[in-house]
Amino acid sequence: DGGITQSPKYLFRKEGQNVTLSCEQNLNHDAMYWYRQDPGQGLRLIYYSQIVNDFQKGDIAEGYSVSREKKESFPLTVTSAQKNPTAFYLCASSTLSGVGYEQFFGPGTRLTVL
Amino acid sequence: GESVGLHLPTLSVQEGDNSIINCAYSNSASDYFIWYKQESGKGPQFIIDIRSNMDKRQGQRVTVLLNKTVKHLSLQIAATQPGDSAVYFCAERRAGAGKLIFGAGTRLAVHP
Repeated sequence: DGGITQSPKYLFRKEGQNVTLSCEQNLNHDAMYWYRQDPGQGLRLIYYSQIVNDFQKGDIAEGYSVSREKKESFPLTVTSAQKNPTAFYLCASSTLSGVGYEQFFGPGTRLTVL
Repeated sequence: GESVGLHLPTLSVQEGDNSIINCAYSNSASDYFIWYKQESGKGPQFIIDIRSNMDKRQGQRVTVLLNKTVKHLSLQIAATQPGDSAVYFCAERRAGAGKLIFGAGTRLAVHP
């Protein structure tokens, strides 16, 4: 999975609880991204960060929070404010220089709210 | 709103045939396009990319064609194999933007 790790692979949480998904990359990429994928659907951008200590909201940021304290780490917190959190969450990273803008994806975390 | 979309949600082909997966985009300012392959329960994997100053790019068994006139992107897979069965996504980068916009995906089913 290209030097990006996500943990855990499966996560269960009770309604009303916050949960944090881990994403680490050893590719020395400047940019990192979080996407949400629902069954049979495409990828929707939650948050992204192009530099340490800075991040921007994506298309569906409500109910989520992130931090970027280190270049290699971009954890995502799914808060109790997210009304429908059950989904497959994908983290990605990319370089901001060079020829292409390819994003490398991690293996994903499947979150189920019980 | 502007989006990247796909003509066919599911494509079934016979093993050994060529596959063509299509994608339409709506923003003429997009300057970079990527095709990803996603197997069930896994993260998307890069297949091939193309810049807007190109019409065609070839990889191993795959070719991407870009028609800027009609804002159309296609992925051609030669001699399709069972291992090619997956969902394929196209994505575009709007010029100057720091993110990709993904289409909904096409499922490719390869039958023996």
